[in-house]
Amino acid sequence: DTEVTQTPKHLVMGMTNKKSLKCEQHMGHRAMYWYKQKAKKPPELMFVYSYEKLSINESVPSRFSPECPNSSLLNLHLHALQPEDSALYLCASSQVKVTGRTEAFFGQGTRLTVV
Amino acid sequence: GENVEQHPSTLSVQEGDSAVIKCTYSDSASNYFPWYKQELGKRPQLIIDIRSNVGEKKDQRIAVTLNKTAKHFSLHITETQPEDSAVYFCAAFINVNNNNDMRFGAGTRLTVKP
Repeated sequence: DTEVTQTPKHLVMGMTNKKSLKCEQHMGHRAMYWYKQKAKKPPELMFVYSYEKLSINESVPSRFSPECPNSSLLNLHLHALQPEDSALYLCASSQVKVTGRTEAFFGQGTRLTVV
Repeated sequence: GENVEQHPSTLSVQEGDSAVIKCTYSDSASNYFPWYKQELGKRPQLIIDIRSNVGEKKDQRIAVTLNKTAKHFSLHITETQPEDSAVYFCAAFINVNNNNDMRFGAGTRLTVKP
């Protein structure tokens, strides 16, 4: 199984709403990532978890709150978002160390629209 | 964090021609360099990768070269086909103290004209 599953695929939320994005993998990967991708732009790193601990936070606003409850799951909690936060949110996972071939597998993304 | 630069931003070639995309990275500790292809509305898909102890790798029509001294790596696609049209991203991966970091270049929109 080389699948990273993200839910929901699409999400429309108001600026006062609270919602969560979910990501799941069963490849035994202990590194999980959140990226934000705007149209015609590259994926922009937001957060990285290594061994379920937050290792990178790219100065992301606190209205985005990541959570890694176990080695298979990664959540992104959203609260009081702005319209400019509308984007494709991609989750990825990989092994922690580069030994042999290390590939980061991406989920299909959640397309978020903030209204 | 790592800074990855990618050129060109757009590339248009005739079917059957070769395409070359170049990337540079800033952190000499980066040790793994994947290339992703992203079609419209889809997730990035790995097409080839190279580790820092290898200078070149080839997979059918796709090859990647790495110059560690100069800190640059390139993607080469030969005999291009219309289905190669997509956005291509290079990335640089670093692991420090068991913490991973992977950054992307800005992307190259490749168009292959039939």
